[in-house]
Amino acid sequence: QVQLVQSGAEVKKPGASMKVSCKTSGYTFTRFGISWVRQAPGQGLEWMGWISAYNNNTFHAQNLQGRVTMTTDTSTSTAYMELRSLRSDDTAVYYCARDYLVVGGTRFDYWGQGTLVTVSS
Amino acid sequence: QSALTQPASVSGSPGQSITISCTGTSTDVGNYNLVSWYQQHPGKAPKLMIYEGSKRPSGVSNRFSGSKSGNTASLTILGLQAEDEADYYCCSYAGSPTYVIFGGGTKVTVL
Repeated sequence: QVQLVQSGAEVKKPGASMKVSCKTSGYTFTRFGISWVRQAPGQGLEWMGWISAYNNNTFHAQNLQGRVTMTTDTSTSTAYMELRSLRSDDTAVYYCARDYLVVGGTRFDYWGQGTLVTVSS
Repeated sequence: QSALTQPASVSGSPGQSITISCTGTSTDVGNYNLVSWYQQHPGKAPKLMIYEGSKRPSGVSNRFSGSKSGNTASLTILGLQAEDEADYYCCSYAGSPTYVIFGGGTKVTVL
């Protein structure tokens, strides 16, 4: 069965970087994309960006310009999302979700369990 | 670009039907048939309920249906059940440079 398993919770200081992994199984990794979505405590969902697992093409939300990098490792069917220059308002649960092989399909049909990242001094 | 507009809360009694609206603009909801809906229970990851406006993934109850009229998409839940109590989010493609936008979420309460 399709599974996305994310790395564990992290606590980071303001200005630091974070990197969340999303190990997939149960499907052909390179036939889909991965979207990253975050949810601040008590808040709604926010799309962060998308990466093609086929050719590593990426698109990201404008408000994360220059701070986010998404990558994949096809040898381990794992996607990664790095966020730099962390601020307190980056405190959130970060999710990876399987997506179409083109950006914008918004068909996030399988999700990781979420990774809580807390940014605090 | 602002989030899609959803009512903060909707409630209904068991067995009743409810509809959640999701209002966007002619550059997102109105321009693409790429609206999806997600159900999220507390502390859990979201679950895909509807995609491409009205398609239901395998395993999702046929009590859930999606539609669109102009710039507004809707999720209807027929025969409300206790297990339907959750937060619901709409999501739409919005083209470059926004790409994907979520609604603010609607809390569904089963009375």
